[in-house]
Amino acid sequence: EAGVAQSPRYKIIEKRQSVAFWCNPISGHATLYWYQQILGQGPKLLIQFQNNGVVDDSQLPKDRFSAERLKGVDSTLKIQPAKLEDSAVYLCASSLYMGTDYGYTFGSGTRLTVV
Amino acid sequence: AQSVTQLGSHVSVSEGALVLLRCNYSSSVPPYLFWYVQYPNQGLQLLLKYTTGATLVKGINGFEAEFKKSETSFHLTKPSAHMSDAAEYFCAVSDRKNNRLAFGKGNQVVVIP
Repeated sequence: EAGVAQSPRYKIIEKRQSVAFWCNPISGHATLYWYQQILGQGPKLLIQFQNNGVVDDSQLPKDRFSAERLKGVDSTLKIQPAKLEDSAVYLCASSLYMGTDYGYTFGSGTRLTVV
Repeated sequence: AQSVTQLGSHVSVSEGALVLLRCNYSSSVPPYLFWYVQYPNQGLQLLLKYTTGATLVKGINGFEAEFKKSETSFHLTKPSAHMSDAAEYFCAVSDRKNNRLAFGKGNQVVVIP
């Protein structure tokens, strides 16, 4: 099966600019996650979707970050305006459904550098 | 809330020697436990997981981990390190309801020839 697709792989922007990341999960996976991985740290959950509804966005900085999952398939994560501390790898992951031991599949991530 | 502690950000091991990465977790409910590996510029790849049943779990690339409830630990081992094992390793814990993963800070493994 095809894996989780993310684009772009790399992005460099200036602070205060906006940026968007795209994720296409594995076909049929109902649950989608966005994680932020700052250099030297483990990934941190930003937002979790079940189909096209938000399950948990408690750690999403909503003043600048937004995410959507239209039609319960693809998802986009947006940052506007970006800050230097947003430099990180943004990982998308999907799983078949919640409450399973199936586990996740991660994409390769988008590396964002804010200068 | 679940959390994971991984001590020692960098771990150096000689080729052929034992690899041991320690993971301790905190969870108010019986956890699911995972080890992931991340190679440079790549996403996270699942090494192994514990959900229920046998507490010694075997994963890919010769790795295994043992769930010890009394010690709240899930340490990762490999009997003989290979150069290709050089990567970053993350331990993670998940609640059983929502599958949200809480990761440790990771161990960067360096294999010395």
